[in-house]
Amino acid sequence: NAGVTQTPKFRVLKTGQSMTLLCAQDMNHEYMYWYRQDPGMGLRLIHYSVGEGTTAKGEVPDGYNVSRLKKQNFLLGLESAAPSQTSVYFCASRSFQGNYGYTFGSGTRLTVV
Amino acid sequence: DAKTTQPPSMDCAEGRAANLPCNHSTISGNEYVYWYRQIHSQGPQYIIHGLKNNETNEMASLIITEDRKSSTLILPHATLRDTAVYYCIVRVWGLGDNDMRFGAGTRLTVKP
Repeated sequence: NAGVTQTPKFRVLKTGQSMTLLCAQDMNHEYMYWYRQDPGMGLRLIHYSVGEGTTAKGEVPDGYNVSRLKKQNFLLGLESAAPSQTSVYFCASRSFQGNYGYTFGSGTRLTVV
Repeated sequence: DAKTTQPPSMDCAEGRAANLPCNHSTISGNEYVYWYRQIHSQGPQYIIHGLKNNETNEMASLIITEDRKSSTLILPHATLRDTAVYYCIVRVWGLGDNDMRFGAGTRLTVKP
């Protein structure tokens, strides 16, 4: 029962480099989300998806792109990393059936230098 | 979604009940109250949610006032492992955009 798995757990990027963060869930959840959390702050929604092949912008989408080609995976891409994107990134998922809470991954700590 | 107000920090003695308040005076009739917590460096963990009735599960109890303008999360016998940031969120269930907005929360410190 892995739940929500995020890879990698840590990464250091140079300004201008690109990378993709992977989120995988094995609970057959329809909805998936990417959040970022800066030090001392709450989580802010970047992008989300309500189903395979669909994505939507959240609160802070600029500088990020996402894709949901398979139901179980939600990818977050940084095309040209900036120091302002240094943060901890959390992925979450939930089922559309029932009024249940989100299941979060353990996070990816990204540093852009 | 309605805004919530939580105290920035609270302390609790180990073994005692921890009562975490949340004000949501502008809550709408179809908005639920959710509670999550985040233990240091980990992803948030769902605790409990409710609409207007009090709720209890294996982790906590949720008490919602009759006018629904405030609620209290109760951890009946706090342990050191309950030290975390606790988030109170109100939102409508079933919206098409389905996003959960996290504020600053309450940092609960359970002391021996």
